[in-house]
Amino acid sequence: DSGVTQTPKHLITATGQRVTLRCSPRSGDLSVYWYQQSLDQGLQFLIQYYNGEERAKGNILERFSAQQFPDLHSELNLSSLELGDSALYFCASGPKGFSTFGSGTRLTVV
Amino acid sequence: EDQVTQSPEALRLQEGESSSLNCSYTVSGLRGLFWYRQDPGKGPEFLFTLYSAGEEKEKERLKATLTKKESFLHITAPKPEDSATYLCAVHARYGQNFVFGPGTRLSVLP
Repeated sequence: DSGVTQTPKHLITATGQRVTLRCSPRSGDLSVYWYQQSLDQGLQFLIQYYNGEERAKGNILERFSAQQFPDLHSELNLSSLELGDSALYFCASGPKGFSTFGSGTRLTVV
Repeated sequence: EDQVTQSPEALRLQEGESSSLNCSYTVSGLRGLFWYRQDPGKGPEFLFTLYSAGEEKEKERLKATLTKKESFLHITAPKPEDSATYLCAVHARYGQNFVFGPGTRLSVLP
């Protein structure tokens, strides 16, 4: 157990739908990062939050959004889902580069 | 544009057969280069970070080195438990970009 908790582990949904992925960071970590890993594009940085504020943005689509709550857990919202959004979504916490990753949420869009 | 490539895409070794993995990068100023290990169905696990050309880091059978354009992960006398995908990533000095390479899938046969 890495200390970073992601739920759900698996999610199957239809195109056009909206889903929310949840992440609880390691105790004491203020930074949370979201990544997408797909077979064709590899691991891509999406967005970073630090203590509730957006700190950095990567290749995040406009259909995706995230937030970090006062208790430091974070949610990644994916809307108007397309088949190409099927991927593993990882959350990580801690200093950038040295962060600890969760086990991911596998999203399948059908 | 910041880019990271890795070679080979896949590598199969016999137990005890040493080899090296390559990570080549193009970045607008390097803040740090990171190596990770990723096991199937899990998030990446941090191995090393390197900051400047000539720097080397070692951990058990792994040794990472850095030049101005590439990094190598040397694996000495590997064991089957070293089988995993090895990812490198660069943190660009300018902007907030954190870019991963596609990874090298290593299989070590007993």
